[in-house]
Amino acid sequence: EVQLVQSGAEVKKPGESLKISCKGSGYSFTTYWIGWVRQMPGKGLEWMGIIYPDDSDTRYSPSFQGQVTISADKSINTAYLRWSGLKASDTAIYYCARRYDNSGYYYDYWGQGTLVTVSS
Amino acid sequence: SYELTQPPSVSVSPGQTARITCSGDALPKQYAYWYQQKPGQAPVLVMYKDTERPSGIPERFSGSSSGTTVTLTISGLQAEDEADYYCQSSDSNSYDVFGTGTKVTVL
Repeated sequence: EVQLVQSGAEVKKPGESLKISCKGSGYSFTTYWIGWVRQMPGKGLEWMGIIYPDDSDTRYSPSFQGQVTISADKSINTAYLRWSGLKASDTAIYYCARRYDNSGYYYDYWGQGTLVTVSS
Repeated sequence: SYELTQPPSVSVSPGQTARITCSGDALPKQYAYWYQQKPGQAPVLVMYKDTERPSGIPERFSGSSSGTTVTLTISGLQAEDEADYYCQSSDSNSYDVFGTGTKVTVL
């Protein structure tokens, strides 16, 4: 069974750093892109970027380039999303999802989401 | 940047048909995908490659495409279909994008 299990909720102060994780199981982790998606409170889904765990090839949405870092450790089937200086506006739920290629890319399995709250 | 535009809301009585549109310039060249998201839950794929239904998704969900607009149709709307729906596609650089989202309300 394909599963993506994300790390737990975080409460941080502005300026702090944070790294959240997404562990895949039940499939070949290295041969599917993993995507990260932001959902701010009461708002829609925003595509942040993707990583190919086999070689760590990474693509970012222009909106998130330079704001976050996406990485992966294929030895433990885990992808990460990292901030070096959080802002209150980073408060959101962050989802990871497996990006499936079937003549076009879509997200067939999703993690449960990680709530990140940034508040002084 | 590439955008996919959806109506903010659609309200339909139970048993009737809900139609949700998604418009984008690249849709004639790129497939569209649809996700259902219920409160407090992660999105779930309900349609792929414009018209294909994943296993486990009820037959009342269908998709169509015409030019720069794709449509998700829910026939015989049920109370459990009340949710937010998002389309998704890719731009010419293979960056993915989500639509603005549509809240479906069952009256």
